[in-house]
Amino acid sequence: QVQLVESGGGVVQPRTSLRLSCAASGFTFSNYPMHWVRQAPGKGLDWVAVISSDGNTKYYADSVQGRFTISRDNSRNTVYLQMNSLRAEDTAVFYCARDRVRGYDAFDNWGQGTMVTVSS
Amino acid sequence: DIQMTQSPSTLSASVGDRVTITCRASQSISGWLAWYQQKPGKAPKFLIYDASNLESGVPSRFSGSGSGTDFTLTISSLQPDDFATYYCQQYDSFPLTFGGGTKVEIK
Repeated sequence: QVQLVESGGGVVQPRTSLRLSCAASGFTFSNYPMHWVRQAPGKGLDWVAVISSDGNTKYYADSVQGRFTISRDNSRNTVYLQMNSLRAEDTAVFYCARDRVRGYDAFDNWGQGTMVTVSS
Repeated sequence: DIQMTQSPSTLSASVGDRVTITCRASQSISGWLAWYQQKPGKAPKFLIYDASNLESGVPSRFSGSGSGTDFTLTISSLQPDDFATYYCQQYDSFPLTFGGGTKVEIK
């Protein structure tokens, strides 16, 4: 069965960096675009970024453009989110999610999430 | 950006009730809409895609309808496991956006 396992969250100070990882299993990872979605405490869902199956195409939410970078390693079945210049408003649970088909589509499988807290 | 507006934000209902949640897009998204269910402390669960197609394994009491700007999620007979928060999401264009959520509470 499809499994997505995020890691790398933690407590960091503002203006620092963090890299999240999402290890995938149970499907042919290299066939699927992958997304990051976040959820601030007590708030709704907020799409962050997507990367195409081959890694060549990426899109970002305006709120993270220029600060976050999504990447993937198809040989390791892993997608990453490099987060720089973190702000208090980036505090959230970060989920990786598999794209259903098109690259801009529904998210048919989600990881359990990893918590990122940005605080001084 | 396409804004997604859900109503109501909270809904109180009893087991066995028919429940309808509405999602409105700020511009036409054709049928490019998904629905998710989320319980506290858990990841969202995928329910419906392309506005009306039920994901495999999702109970048939869930259904979706609509096109253009107006969409609905209906639970035909609410079950104890259905008390949760529901989100719609458009995937017509980037940035992908979600509605603010509808919390279904026990009446």
